[in-house]
Formats: sequence, structure tokens, C-alpha cells
Amino acid sequence: GAVVSQHPSWVICKSGTSVKIECRSLDFQATTMFWYRQFPKQSLMLMATSNEGSKATYEQGVEKDKFLINHASLTLSTLTVTSAHPEDSSFYICSERTSGNNEQFFGPGTRLTVL
Amino acid sequence: GENVEQHPSTLSVQEGDSAVIKCTYSDSASNYFPWYKQELGKRPQLIIDIRSNVGEKKDQRIAVTLNKTAKHFSLHITETQPEDSAVYFCAAGQFYFGTGTSLTVIP
Repeated sequence: GAVVSQHPSWVICKSGTSVKIECRSLDFQATTMFWYRQFPKQSLMLMATSNEGSKATYEQGVEKDKFLINHASLTLSTLTVTSAHPEDSSFYICSERTSGNNEQFFGPGTRLTVL
Repeated sequence: GENVEQHPSTLSVQEGDSAVIKCTYSDSASNYFPWYKQELGKRPQLIIDIRSNVGEKKDQRIAVTLNKTAKHFSLHITETQPEDSAVYFCAAGQFYFGTGTSLTVIP
């Protein structure tokens, strides 16, 4: 299956700062990647679909100006949480999907804690 | 949109016993139903999936059944082992996840 990495694996920041999370496809050229958020003991919620070379598609209720997504190459998508606040503290996970079937491969996740 | 419900939220079984987790979905157009296992602080990993053209699929100790008419599907784990302890998520389609079941297998 596909191999997906994320960086950093965890980050602690002060309220009001911006945090960038990278998602890399290590063995596959992913024209589409997906960003999820998972609060403690809750399910994964799709935030947005990241499209290489074009604007991301955001799910209802997700602020596009707060969660900036850039997919500048076939192997890298970034999620920037702007002006982070404690309520943004969560586990952020990216994924990619291989063509031909529906299987998703998830990155290891990034634990964001906003103080 | 799709709505996926999952039960139970927690499940404890003795080692060697079977565990069953059930999910229902709302969108009759959904045709792909994966199950993921997630250990604490780690990524979800696909353990089995089923498509709408079959009613059952088995992979060693894990099986999934699908009833499209009733819009529900279930995960069955037999001969459970302590390493099966984790949170299990069902999904309808690729993006709509259930609320998760925390499975504990007691040695």
C-alpha cells in the first residue's frame, strides 16, 4: 500500500500563532489528498480535500481561511492552522487514496496542542 | 449526507471469545464499507472492507457482513487476542466514519 508521512508528529504552540503540518506521499503521486481532524475519543471528521494545482474543497462548517491547504506538488500537501486557539487542539490526519479502488492510506497524524 | 451509527461504543471480551461491532448507514447509494483499527495515538489502518455486491467477506479471524436492504453491516472478530484491543471504526464510503468502538480483550 501507499506510504504517507506527516510532519511534525506533535506540536505545542501558543494561542494566536499559526502552525503548518506537512503531509507527504512517499511512494505515490497523489493528485488528491484528504485532511481529517479527530478530537479525543471521537471519530475522524473530514475537513477538506486537497487537490494538486487547484483550490482545496472544504467540508461544510470548516473555515477555509482558518485552515489553509496548499497542494503544490504531487507528493506534498500542507495544512496551516492560522491563529490557532485551544479549541483547535486535535489530532490532524492526512490520507491518500490509490487509484482503482477506494482504499485510503493514512498518515501517522499530528497532535496539535494550543495553549 | 451520509450518517453512520456504530454500536457499542465500548466492548470488553475475554480472550478467545468473539466480538461483534455493528454499524448502520443512511445513504442507500453507499457501496463501499471499510473497517479500520486504530491504536492509541496512531493512524487508522484498514483491516477489512466490503463492497455492496457481496454480503460477506472473511479474512482469517475477521469477517464482515453487509445487509444492503437494512443498511447495516457488522464486524466479527473470532478467537480474540489481547493485541486486538484498539478502537475500531466503520465507514460508509470513504469519508463517513462511525463513532468508534473501544474493544478491550481481557487476557
